Amino acid sequence: DQQVKQNSPSLSVQEGRISILNCDYTNSMFDYFLWYKKYPAEGPTFLISISSIKDKNEDGRFTVFLNKSAKHLSLHIVPSQPGDSAVYFCAAIFVVGNTPLVFGKGTRLSVIA
Amino acid sequence: DADVTQTPRNRITKTGKRIMLECSQTKGHDRMYWYRQDPGLGLRLIYYSFDVKDINKGEISDGYSVSRQAQAKFSLSLESAIPNQTALYFCATSERIQGLYTDTQYFGPGTRLTVL
Repeated sequence: DQQVKQNSPSLSVQEGRISILNCDYTNSMFDYFLWYKKYPAEGPTFLISISSIKDKNEDGRFTVFLNKSAKHLSLHIVPSQPGDSAVYFCAAIFVVGNTPLVFGKGTRLSVIA
Repeated sequence: DADVTQTPRNRITKTGKRIMLECSQTKGHDRMYWYRQDPGLGLRLIYYSFDVKDINKGEISDGYSVSRQAQAKFSLSLESAIPNQTALYFCATSERIQGLYTDTQYFGPGTRLTVL
């Protein structure tokens, strides 16, 4: 059973507009969440994270929002740039549980110039 | 130099052959992981190791084995490769900091394996 779900396999956005990538999780024990970005022929790279004690974390153009009651998080990219075109993976972990990250299947973002 | 390296970067082999993929890291992390990526299926965990004496199966360990030769080295073996093991394979590392465990993983560049 998939514990971390990214229901949109792909997303296209125009340059300069906002990109919103969504992620849902089913395990209420998860208390730390991460987003990774992956370019073709490269390994995923860490982008931004958020602890369950927060509802928002911002880093430059990237903001992650967490809604614990809905078990939902989203990544906002503003403004979107062509270099943001990549696959984005959501991941979650139960910190005290001492188990590895659980990844979603990814969303491919295409930013169109 | 890259913190997490994988060798080989590309490999083509035949069904039934034994294959070993190697991963080395200079980050000093205690935890290492092997994933495979298939189109539409995301990153699936094969095996993970939280220290040299610790090996754990992941989501899809059948047909694979691993060896943690040292803190810095974690190898993945396919004892008898089959075509549906054709995929991108990634090694990753993470560090457990006492009192804080965020498990931010750092990935290698990947190995593209093709089994004919």
